[in-house]
Amino acid sequence: QSVLTQPPSVSAAPGQTVTISCSGTSSTIGENYVSWFQKVPGRAPKLLIYDHNKRPSGIPDRFSGSKSVTTATLAITGLQTGDEADYYCATWDSSSAVVFGGGTKLTVL
Amino acid sequence: DVQLLESGGTLAQPGGSLRLSCSGSGFTFSNFAFHWVRQAPGKGLEWVAGLSGSGETRYYADSVRGRFTISRDNSKNTVFLQLNDLRAEDTAVYYCVKSTGVTLVLMVYAGDYFDYWGQGTLVTVYS
Repeated sequence: QSVLTQPPSVSAAPGQTVTISCSGTSSTIGENYVSWFQKVPGRAPKLLIYDHNKRPSGIPDRFSGSKSVTTATLAITGLQTGDEADYYCATWDSSSAVVFGGGTKLTVL
Repeated sequence: DVQLLESGGTLAQPGGSLRLSCSGSGFTFSNFAFHWVRQAPGKGLEWVAGLSGSGETRYYADSVRGRFTISRDNSKNTVFLQLNDLRAEDTAVYYCVKSTGVTLVLMVYAGDYFDYWGQGTLVTVYS
């Protein structure tokens, strides 16, 4: 069982908006930054968001991140079929070092 | 451009050993900490181990502590993961991941995070 809790799956139609939550505790998300990664089968994970809400260069602004208390959220607007992937959140845990969420499978209907 | 290239993944028997390598280019290797993250078939991402830029500080996941050893040779721009006493549950794709800072701690301070991932190398433990 993962330290960070994500919904196993989410789905939405092309063009719509989807949000993926990542629930932690006061000692994980509550006091540390969150990163989000996109994982397509057969490919390396790709950084989407760091420091809760910052995008690396090259990541479209359709991807955004936020945090409230102990929950982080990834939002994807204007969904495209190419967004189908697994999405993972990550943060630091003082007793476990880097911790990942269990992952959320996004289906674009 | 930053490039990370893993190698060394192969078939191994339970109780056996392997050494994975990750060669980096396009940046000053010794200025950055490195980590290994794995993904077992059908499972999520699991952090395995991390090593500071100097090579002096190491962290391990509980699942591998005492069996795996992370090390680096900054003169060869390479980080290693020695896998000993392999178990079936170690079967996974192993990714080498670069961090943005020289210390091991990530995501505690702004600006410290994983920025580049290698393509991964597959380790299969079978009997």
